[in-house]
Amino acid sequence: EDQVTQSPEALRLQEGESSSLNCSYTVSGLRGLFWYRQDPGKGPEFLFTLYSAGEEKEKERLKATLTKKESFLHITAPKPEDSATYLCAVQEGSGYALNFGKGTSLLVTP
Amino acid sequence: DVKVTQSSRYLVKRTGEKVFLECVQDMDHENMFWYRQDPGLGLRLIYFSYDVKMKEKGDIPEGYSVSREKKERFSLILESASTNQTSMYLCASSLLYEKVDEQFFGPGTRLTVL
Repeated sequence: EDQVTQSPEALRLQEGESSSLNCSYTVSGLRGLFWYRQDPGKGPEFLFTLYSAGEEKEKERLKATLTKKESFLHITAPKPEDSATYLCAVQEGSGYALNFGKGTSLLVTP
Repeated sequence: DVKVTQSSRYLVKRTGEKVFLECVQDMDHENMFWYRQDPGLGLRLIYFSYDVKMKEKGDIPEGYSVSREKKERFSLILESASTNQTSMYLCASSLLYEKVDEQFFGPGTRLTVL
């Protein structure tokens, strides 16, 4: 059973059409939840770390929020350059490693 | 800025060859990781290292080994490459075990095994 589930798998938006990506997790003892952006053929690029329920972080058109069971990545008035795959990952307990979801592929059309 | 570099962007090898993938980070990070990324499966952890000469198996270590002789360098070794090891390989590093820290990724190596 996946510990990290992202939805939707793919999302197509018109430029300026705001939306949210979801990341639900079932780990116990969450140490941190991470959001990454990945462009085709490249390594993931770090966006945000969230540590506790209620926390929010923003960067340009992106805002990440965290509850006890899920995280949302809100995209406000997206532009075509926001097109990418967005990955969510969790770090739990005393572990070093990140457990990744399968990602949401976002396409923003002009 | 943290920089993680990988020795090759693209690599083509034959079945049975021994393959070395190298990763170097320039920010004195303690932890280094090797992942593979496949369509529909996401990123899966192969091995990680939390100190020089220390290593731990990840979720899918079979068919792989690693080496960390220097703090900045972490190598992934495919002892005898097989076609099911065709994949994108990603190296990452992070600062300290004690700290919840983001991992910084390299650009990836796309390996094809024929």
